[in-house]
Amino acid sequence: GAVVSQHPSWVICKSGTSVKIECRSLDFQATTMFWYRQFPKQSLMLMATSNEGSKATYEQGVEKDKFLINHASLTLSTLTVTSAHPEDSSFYICSARDGAGDYGYTFGSGTRLTVV
Amino acid sequence: GESVGLHLPTLSVQEGDNSIINCAYSNSASDYFIWYKQESGKGPQFIIDIRSNMDKRQGQRVTVLLNKTVKHLSLQIAATQPGDSAVYFCAESRGGGSYIPTFGRGTSLIVHP
Repeated sequence: GAVVSQHPSWVICKSGTSVKIECRSLDFQATTMFWYRQFPKQSLMLMATSNEGSKATYEQGVEKDKFLINHASLTLSTLTVTSAHPEDSSFYICSARDGAGDYGYTFGSGTRLTVV
Repeated sequence: GESVGLHLPTLSVQEGDNSIINCAYSNSASDYFIWYKQESGKGPQFIIDIRSNMDKRQGQRVTVLLNKTVKHLSLQIAATQPGDSAVYFCAESRGGGSYIPTFGRGTSLIVHP
């Protein structure tokens, strides 16, 4: 089945620094990938849609200058949390759709970001 | 039993029992529904899906029921095992799944040995 790889699985950074999270589709091409954010004991909230070769589409309330998304190839999207603050600490998950199969959207394993 | 409150709803069952997890969806235009399982510290994992032209679909030990009249979805897990302990999310989509799924609140399933 389709596999989406996310890296790193966890990261701790200091306030004010930037962190980059990578999302790769391993065995399929994804012109579109999705970034979610999940707080403890809550559901997944869509942050943005990453489009290969064009600008990302951000959901309402998500700061595009803070959460930079780059989708440089058909298998890689990156999310950079700039000038991170403790309130940015969360679980970030990416997803991609592997075509018209029954499995719909495949999710990465997530990245736990802790800002200290 | 099941509890709903400010925290994630929790369903506690004994190993071997059948579990039923419920979900209410909001968009009457949704025509594709998915159940995901999320273990602690991991991303959601596909369990089973159903399209709106069906009211029941069965998988291995799992069954999804769809009631479009009341916009209700349920996931039944037969002979629940400790490995089934996780948070379960329902998600709704449109266009047969071509639209990005919207996740429901989630239910924490705890299976006691």
